Amino acid sequence: GENVEQHPSTLSVQEGDSAVIKCTYSDSASNYFPWYKQELGKRPQLIIDIRSNVGEKKDQRIAVTLNKTAKHFSLHITETQPEDSAVYFCAARGSQGNLIFGKGTKLSVKP
Amino acid sequence: DGGITQSPKYLFRKEGQNVTLSCEQNLNHDAMYWYRQDPGQGLRLIYYSQIVNDFQKGDIAEGYSVSREKKESFPLTVTSAQKNPTAFYLCASSVTGYTDTQYFGPGTRLTVL
Repeated sequence: GENVEQHPSTLSVQEGDSAVIKCTYSDSASNYFPWYKQELGKRPQLIIDIRSNVGEKKDQRIAVTLNKTAKHFSLHITETQPEDSAVYFCAARGSQGNLIFGKGTKLSVKP
Repeated sequence: DGGITQSPKYLFRKEGQNVTLSCEQNLNHDAMYWYRQDPGQGLRLIYYSQIVNDFQKGDIAEGYSVSREKKESFPLTVTSAQKNPTAFYLCASSVTGYTDTQYFGPGTRLTVL
């Protein structure tokens, strides 16, 4: 079935360093890839997304890259800050139009 | 996502009881979704509805039921057939079922006593 794999499951970085989270998807027809940030006990919030006709997208300290041939996409956070600490989820749109989520990455930014 | 509300925030259920979780949106979105979140499991789709009076099963629909009688409302019933219902339940909506951005409600934490 349709699947999204996300790595690593936990990531710890020093404040100011970069963080990279990687995801792979199984359905080659997927054409939309959002990233959500979820703070403890809160709702997931969309932070950036990318469509299959684009290879890279940036929004301030956050960027996402997409490699359609390899069926993987990555989230890059530069100059990390303690408030970046959260669980991050990648997702890919499935054949029914719904989103298929990865299992999440818990990012800890140490001051 | 401020236009999606869920109630209650916390819910306690005794074994053998059915409970209904509320989800309302005022964003005029056609599509609505229910997800279950367990620690380390990410978000798993329970049911989704792309239009009023229509809905489809997701990956883990057993033990759950939904209705979509109004565009703005998509209640989820957790039945006694759901053997392990303790989890965080999230409702989401999007403009249509085939547009992409989903916006989430604040969630309901269900605990079975």
